[in-house]
Amino acid sequence: KQEVTQIPAALSVPEGENLVLNCSFTDSAIYNLQWFRQDPGKGLTSLLLIQSSQREQTSGRLNASLDKSSGRSTLYIAASQPGDSATYLCAVGPGGGNKLTFGTGTQLKVEL
Amino acid sequence: GAVVSQHPSWVICKSGTSVKIECRSLDFQATTMFWYRQFPKQSLMLMATSNEGSKATYEQGVEKDKFLINHASLTLSTLTVTSAHPEDSSFYICSASPSGQANYGYTFGSGTRLTVV
Repeated sequence: KQEVTQIPAALSVPEGENLVLNCSFTDSAIYNLQWFRQDPGKGLTSLLLIQSSQREQTSGRLNASLDKSSGRSTLYIAASQPGDSATYLCAVGPGGGNKLTFGTGTQLKVEL
Repeated sequence: GAVVSQHPSWVICKSGTSVKIECRSLDFQATTMFWYRQFPKQSLMLMATSNEGSKATYEQGVEKDKFLINHASLTLSTLTVTSAHPEDSSFYICSASPSGQANYGYTFGSGTRLTVV
């Protein structure tokens, strides 16, 4: 059974800092990995999608890497802003339209 | 592209009544949709997989008679919470991915906050 863990569970940083969120999964037979952001009381917003054949994806200040063999992914946020405050979730997909397995989430707070 | 619309965004109902939540894929077709439940400060818990034209697949521990799922078309899935009780109060979210495009990733609805009083 696939298990996905995110470290740290919570993180508080001053504005402007670069930070790294970690995601690890136990079964490396994944099709893709997706990073999401969730604001309180809201749905999930997809940030980055990495296919299993890819090593990283970038979007603006966000960069996600994937090391499938070691079962790890990182989300790098450059020059953090208060608007980045949210819960970040990673999820792995087995492909074929099958269900995602979610991580436990990292609650990020960026302070002025 | 790949927008999922979920309605209502919040609903308050009396104990014993039923509530229907809709999940629509606006610009793509989805053979499969997923329904999640989320408790405060916890991650998403998959409730069921909704399959167009066939019965939904429920996760272990989820009562199929309480959480009725209908996926009558390639763009609409509904979740009906029957005879709702206060313990059913939660945040419900649906998701979908374009049919036949497994590398596209999943798009989520904005969620529905259900409060049963």
